[in-house]
Amino acid sequence: KNEVEQSPQNLTAQEGEFITINCSYSVGISALHWLQQHPGGGIVSLFMLSSGKKKHGRLIATINIQEKHSSLHITASHPRDSAVYICAVGNTDKLIFGTGTRLQVFP
Amino acid sequence: DAEITQSPRHKITETGRQVTLACHQTWNHNNMFWYRQDLGHGLRLIHYSYGVQDTNKGEVSDGYSVSRSNTEDLPLTLESAASSQTSVYFCASSDRASGYNEQFFGPGTRLTVL
Repeated sequence: KNEVEQSPQNLTAQEGEFITINCSYSVGISALHWLQQHPGGGIVSLFMLSSGKKKHGRLIATINIQEKHSSLHITASHPRDSAVYICAVGNTDKLIFGTGTRLQVFP
Repeated sequence: DAEITQSPRHKITETGRQVTLACHQTWNHNNMFWYRQDLGHGLRLIHYSYGVQDTNKGEVSDGYSVSRSNTEDLPLTLESAASSQTSVYFCASSDRASGYNEQFFGPGTRLTVL
């Protein structure tokens, strides 16, 4: 069993829909990261959180430490949100990555 | 602005050749990491370094080596390239001193071994 599991693996949405991507992990962590990878490959950090909730524009990330679960929400999705979203967990300086959720948003 | 760069961005090589992928960061970060990304797998750690002259093996280190002679650079060497090493390689860095482990990623190098 992978230490970091994401669901769904693939997600298709119509523009304007509310999107939820889930991440469950089985190890102790100091922080959880959500990353975005666009076609063409670059990886950027969206959020780093160790408790509660963070919001940046239309993106919201939550984490429940007791349940070892995090969600990434996208409100009013747009075609430019199409990307692979990667969950990673960290303890010390190293990260363990999920396999990613591929999101496609159609107009 | 501080950044992390990788070169080359694309590389085609032949089985058995030695290949070196460059990674250079201007964040002045202590920590540097090399990952490979393959379909069906998350990013997997190849090697990492916590500072000059420090290197450590990750989960998929066989066939790879790194050296850290200064803060800015962590080159990744494939001693004798194999087709199984065809992949996209990402370098990343983070600042241990901050107490957080947010990592900043380079743009990636797509390596094809024929």
